[in-house]
Amino acid sequence: GQNIDQPTEMTATEGAIVQINCTYQTSGFNGLFWYQQHAGEAPTFLSYNVLDGLEEKGRFSSFLSRSKGYSYLLLKELQMKDSASYLCAVPLSVGKLQFGAGTQVVVTP
Amino acid sequence: DAGVTQSPTHLIKTRGQQVTLRCSPKSGHDTVSWYQQALGQGPQFIFQYYEEEERQRGNFPDRFSGHQFPNYSSELNVNALLLGDSALYLCASSSETGYQETQYFGPGTRLLVL
Repeated sequence: GQNIDQPTEMTATEGAIVQINCTYQTSGFNGLFWYQQHAGEAPTFLSYNVLDGLEEKGRFSSFLSRSKGYSYLLLKELQMKDSASYLCAVPLSVGKLQFGAGTQVVVTP
Repeated sequence: DAGVTQSPTHLIKTRGQQVTLRCSPKSGHDTVSWYQQALGQGPQFIFQYYEEEERQRGNFPDRFSGHQFPNYSSELNVNALLLGDSALYLCASSSETGYQETQYFGPGTRLLVL
């Protein structure tokens, strides 16, 4: 399987930027997913990186370095609604995801 | 376009009982995966169904079983419930293309075992 590590919690103020890091150890690599999960709700898809580099989608960007086993999710211009858990996930095989424990982001006024 | 739906939303059972959870995939999807998410943890893969067969399985005991119907909907059954089975059970659907596809999650069923 994979060993996936991400910080437990991060706090930032409205309008700020937060970077959530995710490191993984893998014997094979099929990309990396980021999901957002509000309390009591389903995870919702944010991004999928297969190649190295930065992919930008509005206020959210995701970066991948396969050689370093490292990814980050960048949240810009934070809003209160961004308070949620952010899950990093690596496919062990097609359709079988292994998730990190999630990073709880708390946005304060 | 309906997304992934699950029923029931909440369920309370006692130890030793059996439970059945249901999932309807997103329109156009034919593959269903089930995950268990304990409080404060990421989802853990239970198993995946495609063409009405279990195709992959995670590290869960045989008490966890499932089924997929011809319309691609799926059920998760858990027998001999334990207190530790209390969790959010998530269903995710995707299309089978042979490549890694994004999985879309349903709202989950929150199971409490007393």
